[in-house]
Amino acid sequence: QKEVEQNSGPLSVPEGAIASLNCTYSDRGSQSFFWYRQYSGKSPELIMSIYSNGDKEDGRFTAQLNKASQYVSLLIRDSQPSDSATYLCGGSNYKLTFGKGTLLTVNP
Amino acid sequence: DAGITQSPRHKVTETGTPVTLRCHQTENHRYMYWYRQDPGHGLRLIHYSYGVKDTDKGEVSDGYSVSRSKTEDFLLTLESATSSQTSVYFCASSYSRSPPTDTQYFGPGTRLTVL
Repeated sequence: QKEVEQNSGPLSVPEGAIASLNCTYSDRGSQSFFWYRQYSGKSPELIMSIYSNGDKEDGRFTAQLNKASQYVSLLIRDSQPSDSATYLCGGSNYKLTFGKGTLLTVNP
Repeated sequence: DAGITQSPRHKVTETGTPVTLRCHQTENHRYMYWYRQDPGHGLRLIHYSYGVKDTDKGEVSDGYSVSRSKTEDFLLTLESATSSQTSVYFCASSYSRSPPTDTQYFGPGTRLTVL
């Protein structure tokens, strides 16, 4: 069974710190990886997609992919209280599988 | 973001009644998906569609059926609702299933309660 595992959390960081979210996947055929943010009672919204090994940066967010280690991560720099949400990691081999999510709380 | 709407947004129904949830997208995406989200399970795929009248099962398809008669509309039907189908249902759509155009965009969700 194809699985995506996320660090279970919850994760709590102070405002201004770096939040690190991690994800591993079992399907070596996965080609696409996604990080979604989900506020309580809302729908998932895309933060980042990544397809190649290495880092991809978008503002305060950096996604990292290591296909050899089957590992995906998301770094949030200068964390803000508005970043407090559940973060979903997804891997796709023509079918998207999600992890169960990590709840991040950023404390003012 | 893709324009995806879902209706109804909230519904309370009784065990044994049929329920239909509607998803509508305005992005002309070929692929559409239905997920359910439950505490402790995350998002799980129920059914998906890869074109008009073309659908396939996901990992939790028992008790659900789908139909797609137009590109923009994807319906999810619970033929006889059970309490185990109480959940939040999300619709999503994507341009393709291949990178780099396989990003899925989600609708606002429908909260369904089966009493």
